[in-house]
Amino acid sequence: GQSLEQPSEVTAVEGAIVQINCTYQTSGFYGLSWYQQHDGGAPTFLSYNALDGLEETGRFSSFLSRSDSYGYLLLQELQMKDSASYFCAVSNQAGTALIFGKGTTLSVSS
Amino acid sequence: SQTIHQWPATLVQPVGSPLSLECTVEGTSNPNLYWYRQAAGRGLQLLFYSVGIGQISSEVPQNLSASRPQDRQFILSSKKLLLSDSGFYLCAWRPGGAEAFFGQGTRLTVV
Repeated sequence: GQSLEQPSEVTAVEGAIVQINCTYQTSGFYGLSWYQQHDGGAPTFLSYNALDGLEETGRFSSFLSRSDSYGYLLLQELQMKDSASYFCAVSNQAGTALIFGKGTTLSVSS
Repeated sequence: SQTIHQWPATLVQPVGSPLSLECTVEGTSNPNLYWYRQAAGRGLQLLFYSVGIGQISSEVPQNLSASRPQDRQFILSSKKLLLSDSGFYLCAWRPGGAEAFFGQGTRLTVV
């Protein structure tokens, strides 16, 4: 089976940097992706790592260590609009099941 | 460009009634399609996924079923709804790569 662990809640202030960790167990591994979901909305794709290392997309970066079955999402220069739930997700093979973690609720205060 | 349509946006159904939620994708062919359910304040639970017409994989045995009668159509059904079927149902498609695109979801309340 597949399982993912991530913290349930994280709080931070505007302008800060926050890191959301994700550890996973999977029978095979194709890649780790991250999604953002605002209250009442649909999840939207943020970032993807198939290989070890850091991927940077604007204020957001994602890191993967396949040997440690671990990744994280790094959010810099936090803004109030970044308050949302963040999910890591893994698939064990292209085109098959995409399994999500339980999500991390990020609250950004001024 | 590709778009995904999911309807209805909200639905209130009595216990024991049937359910049919439809999802269609435009602008692509042979997409991988997914149904997820999200309970209030919880994560996304994968219910079904499909890699082609008539090919359905179930992740969680339960009161629901899925069908893919056409390449870009994915339907979630139930013959008799339970209270525990309430939740936010999301359809998604993935072109085979990393990114999944979600519909706007159906908020189902079983009463």
